[in-house]
Amino acid sequence: DTGVSQDPRHKITKRGQNVTFRCDPISEHNRLYWYRQTLGQGPEFLTYFQNEAQLEKSRLLSDRFSAERPKGSFSTLEIQRTEQGDSAMYLCASTGTGGKFTEAFFGQGTRLTVV
Amino acid sequence: LAKTTQPISMDSYEGQEVNITCSHNNIATNDYITWYQQFPSQGPRFIIQGYKTKVTNEVASLFIPADRKSSTLSLPRVSLSDTAVYYCLVGPTDKLIFGTGTRLQVFP
Repeated sequence: DTGVSQDPRHKITKRGQNVTFRCDPISEHNRLYWYRQTLGQGPEFLTYFQNEAQLEKSRLLSDRFSAERPKGSFSTLEIQRTEQGDSAMYLCASTGTGGKFTEAFFGQGTRLTVV
Repeated sequence: LAKTTQPISMDSYEGQEVNITCSHNNIATNDYITWYQQFPSQGPRFIIQGYKTKVTNEVASLFIPADRKSSTLSLPRVSLSDTAVYYCLVGPTDKLIFGTGTRLQVFP
């Protein structure tokens, strides 16, 4: 297993278009997280899943953002009607459960540029 | 979730020990303290996690006093490659909420 992978690594889109990002977690991990990160800021939590259940989505930035993890494996993050303010790095992380300590593994991120 | 406070930035020289302190006055009983490191254009990387007292691994040590209202990440003998942003996270192990972190700059 090569870790958490995200696709694409870079995306340039025109304002108003929809974009979808994919995250493949480490195979035995059942928790999956999405973050947005802008320059100089820490990763901003968006949502997370345990298996296919979305346990926290109140921090999704607006109703233009949605995430799915239909089979409890890979996940997608969609942004509809993109705006220039959506330009950021979108990060995905996965963790296992069980035990007292949990180490999250992050992907390399998808850098979105809205023009 | 417990609010965390860390210095915005720190400078050090190669070979020195660096201690980064995080304050978390309202830490809850079931909260763990976790530190991550992030290099530019990469996702954060787990460094160390603890609940109380001292934890040490091959990369760092984490010191947590008895009241758990603060914690200190200790990096022994830093090198230029330790230049990064360091985040202190406090919460249940399923809540990964990041603050703005501490930007560590290591000079030759």
